[in-house]
Amino acid sequence: KQEVTQIPAALSVPEGENLVLNCSFTDSAIYNLQWFRQDPGKGLTSLLLIQSSQREQTSGRLNASLDKSSGRSTLYIAASQPGDSATYLCAVRPDFGNEKLTFGTGTRLTIIP
Amino acid sequence: NAGVTQTPKFQVLKTGQSMTLQCAQDMNHEYMSWYRQDPGMGLRLIHYSVGAGITDQGEVPNGYNVSRSTTEDFPLRLLSAAPSQTSVYFCASSQLAGGYNEQFFGPGTRLTVL
Repeated sequence: KQEVTQIPAALSVPEGENLVLNCSFTDSAIYNLQWFRQDPGKGLTSLLLIQSSQREQTSGRLNASLDKSSGRSTLYIAASQPGDSATYLCAVRPDFGNEKLTFGTGTRLTIIP
Repeated sequence: NAGVTQTPKFQVLKTGQSMTLQCAQDMNHEYMSWYRQDPGMGLRLIHYSVGAGITDQGEVPNGYNVSRSTTEDFPLRLLSAAPSQTSVYFCASSQLAGGYNEQFFGPGTRLTVL
């Protein structure tokens, strides 16, 4: 059974710093990995989707990398801002035609002004 | 596009009551699903559907019922609510064709069962 882990569970950094969020998964046979952002009391907003054949995806200040063989993904946030404060979740999709996602429990990020 | 919408936003039930959580999407997505989110446990899949008339169970289906009569709507029914069903419920949808198909989530329904 696929297990997805995100460590640390919470992270606080000063504004302006670059930071990395981690996601690890036990079964490397994934189709893609998706990073989401969740604000308190809100739904999930998709940030980046990275296919298993890709190494990186970028959107603005965000960069997601994937090392499928080692079962790891990172989300890099450049020049952090207070508006980046949220919980970040990663989720893996097992294979083509199977949309069922397995989620990590998230990292709660606080950017200190 | 409104995306994925869910109603109600909040609901309080007594043990044994029944209710339906509504989910609708206007993106013509074939795939729709329901997740519950509990502290420390992440999101867990309850039921999913790959098209009208087709539904299947996810990881935690007990106590929940679904149907899919149209592409747009995917309601989740609690037949006899229990305190263990206190949770935040999210509906999601995506296309099926192709590989680069992000899943889009609704704003959630916060359910409390007393």
